[in-house]
Amino acid sequence: GAVVSQHPSRVICKSGTSVKIECRSLDFQATTMFWYRQFPKQSLMLMATSNEGSKATYEQGVEKDKFLINHASLTLSTLTVTSAHPEDSSFYICSARDPSGGAYTDTQYFGPGTRLTVL
Amino acid sequence: GENVEQHPSTLSVQEGDSAVIKCTYSDSASNYFPWYKQELGKRPQLIIDIRSNVGEKKDQRIAVTLNKTAKHFSLHITETQPEDSAVYFCAASIDTNAGKSTFGDGTTLTVKP
Repeated sequence: GAVVSQHPSRVICKSGTSVKIECRSLDFQATTMFWYRQFPKQSLMLMATSNEGSKATYEQGVEKDKFLINHASLTLSTLTVTSAHPEDSSFYICSARDPSGGAYTDTQYFGPGTRLTVL
Repeated sequence: GENVEQHPSTLSVQEGDSAVIKCTYSDSASNYFPWYKQELGKRPQLIIDIRSNVGEKKDQRIAVTLNKTAKHFSLHITETQPEDSAVYFCAASIDTNAGKSTFGDGTTLTVKP
């Protein structure tokens, strides 16, 4: 099946700094990637849809200036948490759609996630 | 927008018993319903999915049923094993072209040996 990687797996940073998280599709080209945030024992909250070559679409309540998304190639999307604060500490997961399935292109493959801790 | 409700939030069964998790959705335009299994600290993994042109799908011990009229779908796990213990999420796609999914809140399944 399709493989999605995410880097780093864990990051600890000081309050006020910015953190970049990378999401890569390793064996397929992904025109669309998604970024989720997951709190402990809670569901996946969609933050934004990342579209290759165009601006990301953010969900209601998600600050686009706070969470910068760049999808510069068909295999890479990045999420930058700017001026991070302790309340941004969370598990961030990306996913990508594999368009090779033709009509059945809805399947999402998830990255392993990034645990962000802001001190 | 789409709203997905999932029940129960926790489920405990004895090894060998069956487990059923139910989800309802609100948008009748949704046509793709995947189920994901997430073990602690790991990524969600697709375990089975169903499309709106099918009423039931089975893969070994796992099956999913869909009732489009009632707008609900269910995950059935038979002969449960301790390794089935995990959090299970249902989801519904509201836009096939974009592939954006709305997730349920998850069910923590515990299978007691």
